[in-house]
Amino acid sequence: DQQVKQNSPSLSVQEGRISILNCDYTNSMFDYFLWYKKYPAEGPTFLISISSIKDKNEDGRFTVFLNKSAKHLSLHIVPSQPGDSAVYFCAASGASGTYKYIFGTGTRLKVLA
Amino acid sequence: GAGVSQTPSNKVTEKGKYVELRCDPISGHTALYWYRQSLGQGPEFLIYFQGTGAADDSGLPNDRFFAVRPEGSVSTLKIQRTERGDSAVYLCASSLTAGGVGTGELFFGEGSRLTVL
Repeated sequence: DQQVKQNSPSLSVQEGRISILNCDYTNSMFDYFLWYKKYPAEGPTFLISISSIKDKNEDGRFTVFLNKSAKHLSLHIVPSQPGDSAVYFCAASGASGTYKYIFGTGTRLKVLA
Repeated sequence: GAGVSQTPSNKVTEKGKYVELRCDPISGHTALYWYRQSLGQGPEFLIYFQGTGAADDSGLPNDRFFAVRPEGSVSTLKIQRTERGDSAVYLCASSLTAGGVGTGELFFGEGSRLTVL
């Protein structure tokens, strides 16, 4: 039972354009969401997070949108750069107050120069 | 070093053997996590330590898996009687505290790739 779903295994975008990565979740108790980026042979690195009390959080070229009623979040990267090519994982956490995250299966983003 | 260090980076073993994977967290981080990432999947939670004690081991798949953190710093994940299905990348992560503060960021190591033949 996949509680966090990333239905697009891969995405290709032209350099300079917008990348939109999507994530859906099923557990309404999740109240904290994060995006991690992973390069080959490296551990995941934190990108951006959002609490369920917000519907948007922005950090430079990265913006995360949260739609609680739809149980959906998305990561927007504008403008996309070749260095953004990586696997992006969406993760969610419940109200347990720990960092026990449930990760999605990831979306491989390729930004074409 | 400044980051989370995991050893070995690669481990190939035979079915039935015993394996230990080591994690050295960022200095001063009290919370330590083990995750497992199988091919084509996202990281899957195994166990979480706050200090020396295992605060949540609900993700350990069975009693062949065990982890310790005796002095509240370095942790060892131990797998007995390895099976081919244990093959995965085992990721360790640490954070300054657990829950409710900061950005919620975990700092991951590069992982230990375990292959069971």
